[in-house]
Amino acid sequence: TQLLEQSPQFLSIQEGENLTVYCNSSSVFSSLQWYRQEPGEGPVLLVTVVTGGEVKKLKRLTFQFGDARKDSSLHITAAQPGDTGLYLCAGVINDMRFGAGTRLTVKP
Amino acid sequence: NAGVTQTPKFRILKIGQSMTLQCAQDMNHNYMYWYRQDPGMGLKLIYYSVGAGITDKGEVPNGYNVSRSTTEDFPLRLELAAPSQTSVYFCASSYGGAHYGYTFGSGTRLTVV
Repeated sequence: TQLLEQSPQFLSIQEGENLTVYCNSSSVFSSLQWYRQEPGEGPVLLVTVVTGGEVKKLKRLTFQFGDARKDSSLHITAAQPGDTGLYLCAGVINDMRFGAGTRLTVKP
Repeated sequence: NAGVTQTPKFRILKIGQSMTLQCAQDMNHNYMYWYRQDPGMGLKLIYYSVGAGITDKGEVPNGYNVSRSTTEDFPLRLELAAPSQTSVYFCASSYGGAHYGYTFGSGTRLTVV
């Protein structure tokens, strides 16, 4: 059983659509991070959220940390083919634990 | 900046063989980590180090060993390779530990046959 459950596991959409992916747990985290991983490469850190209820924006990406610091969401507005990749959430308690990821494909 | 460099990129091993996966970082980070990534399973921590001369086990250390003689290098040793060790291995480093986020290498894809 994964400490962090990500949903959906796979998502395929057309360019220009909006989407939200989720990261859920029953554990409380001191912080949560989102990474994007492209094929053949390592994950790249997108954002760290620390405070319950915190919202951070990175261009067309909006990240939210749940009030209870147990869950998070990533919303992408007007998705582009360059957004294609594996999105991983990672929660920090004493160490960092990763979810299995959401594999996003954005078709032109 | 090179960041975190892993070699080799790909490797095929026969059952029972040994090998060392190399990892080097040029950011003067004290914290370094080894993860394996299997389909649908996320990243699992194998070993980590908080500084030169200090290493500790992660979630899945069996079948692996590490050393940290310098700040820059953190090699992962596989002894007596088994098919269960077929995976993609990632090395990562961090300025101050998990809260600061990790910089990952591009990975080593290992197949044990």
